[in-house]
Amino acid sequence: GNSVTQMEGPVTLSEEAFLTINCTYTATGYPSLFWYVQYPGEGLQLLLKATKADDKGSNKGFEATYRKETTSFHLEKGSVQVSDSAVYFCALNSYSGGGADGLTFGKGTHLIIQP
Amino acid sequence: DTGVSQDPRHKITKRGQNVTFRCDPISEHNRLYWYRQTLGQGPEFLTYFQNEAQLEKSRLLSDRFSAERPKGSFSTLEIQRTEQGDSAMYLCASSLGREPEAFFGQGTRLTVV
Repeated sequence: GNSVTQMEGPVTLSEEAFLTINCTYTATGYPSLFWYVQYPGEGLQLLLKATKADDKGSNKGFEATYRKETTSFHLEKGSVQVSDSAVYFCALNSYSGGGADGLTFGKGTHLIIQP
Repeated sequence: DTGVSQDPRHKITKRGQNVTFRCDPISEHNRLYWYRQTLGQGPEFLTYFQNEAQLEKSRLLSDRFSAERPKGSFSTLEIQRTEQGDSAMYLCASSLGREPEAFFGQGTRLTVV
């Protein structure tokens, strides 16, 4: 079956530090990969996506590259801000048998950015 | 606002009572999903509709849970004879056609006492 493993949190960084949140996956079929973000008191928001191997998703300074050979989709940002403090979820959607199986999420990584 | 909306935002109920939640998806989206999220975990898929047809059900969805989307627009999720283990955030999401990403509502937080 499908599964997503992401690094445990909380991850605490200083403002302007470099961020990496690791994500690896197991999937049947040809998954699309996503990072969702949940800011305090808000719903899940799509941050970025990649739909095939070697695609790079990017948004708001965040990037992630779909690496099929290592089954990974690590999230990176060169210089984090206090406003990036949130919970980040790695997810995949694997279409098998012609249907949509729904998103499979990791447990989430709580990111805390200190000024 | 044309995002996914869920009602109510919070629900406290006594064990054994029935509860019903509503989700209004983004208007042109034909796919609708329900997820459950417990503290410290990622959302877990419960069920999926394409238009009015319920096409997928997770084994997490016990017989006490039922979901409907009668006209292919809004959806309801009912939990009968609630148990304390049902306490969670229930999330609704919608998507369009074969686009893989889904857009989420803010959720309904259920507390069973």
